[in-house]
Amino acid sequence: GAVVSQHPSRVICKSGTSVKIECRSLDFQATTMFWYRQFPKQSLMLMATSNEGSKATYEQGVEKDKFLINHASLTLSTLTVTSAHPEDSSFYICSARRVDRNNEQFFGPGTRLTVL
Amino acid sequence: GQNIDQPTEMTATEGAIVQINCTYQTSGFNGLFWYQQHAGEAPTFLSYNVLDGLEEKGRFSSFLSRSKGYSYLLLKELQMKDSASYLCAVRDNYGQNFVFGPGTRLSVLP
Repeated sequence: GAVVSQHPSRVICKSGTSVKIECRSLDFQATTMFWYRQFPKQSLMLMATSNEGSKATYEQGVEKDKFLINHASLTLSTLTVTSAHPEDSSFYICSARRVDRNNEQFFGPGTRLTVL
Repeated sequence: GQNIDQPTEMTATEGAIVQINCTYQTSGFNGLFWYQQHAGEAPTFLSYNVLDGLEEKGRFSSFLSRSKGYSYLLLKELQMKDSASYLCAVRDNYGQNFVFGPGTRLSVLP
């Protein structure tokens, strides 16, 4: 199969702190990973495309200085929510693109972030 | 621009058949995907269509008409566990990005 993990699965933090979320492709290499955000009862919204060894590409309206993305290896991308605020509370999901499977995206289990 | 439309909610009875429609208008097309998502969980892959026609996979089938910008997901012999959101997603020309539809929340009643 193609397994993608995320850590942590849940995090609760105080307003103003930074939170790092890891996304790993466990059994394949992924030069491209994607970060999505999903608010309750809404669909997935792409935040940014993470490319191994280069800068991430952010979607319009997503602050790159607030949502720091690092894709330092072919199996790991991290999203850091800096100075988190209650409005950042959401479900964050990553996916990894598998080139040898017709560019299909495989999703991680998601991270529930709650900012108090 | 990118626009994908799905009904917001649907209700069906256990054992019945339900069809969830998806229409799309995107600047490029390189495949349409259907995902199932239970509340609080990540989406799981159901089906993929890149050519016109019907793809069948057990109780689930998906149809695509590229000329009409239209797809549907057909669920047969509905079970209670099929209660979930169903997301239609279109992949762009370069195979890089997915654009997700708003999702259809399906409730299966006994």
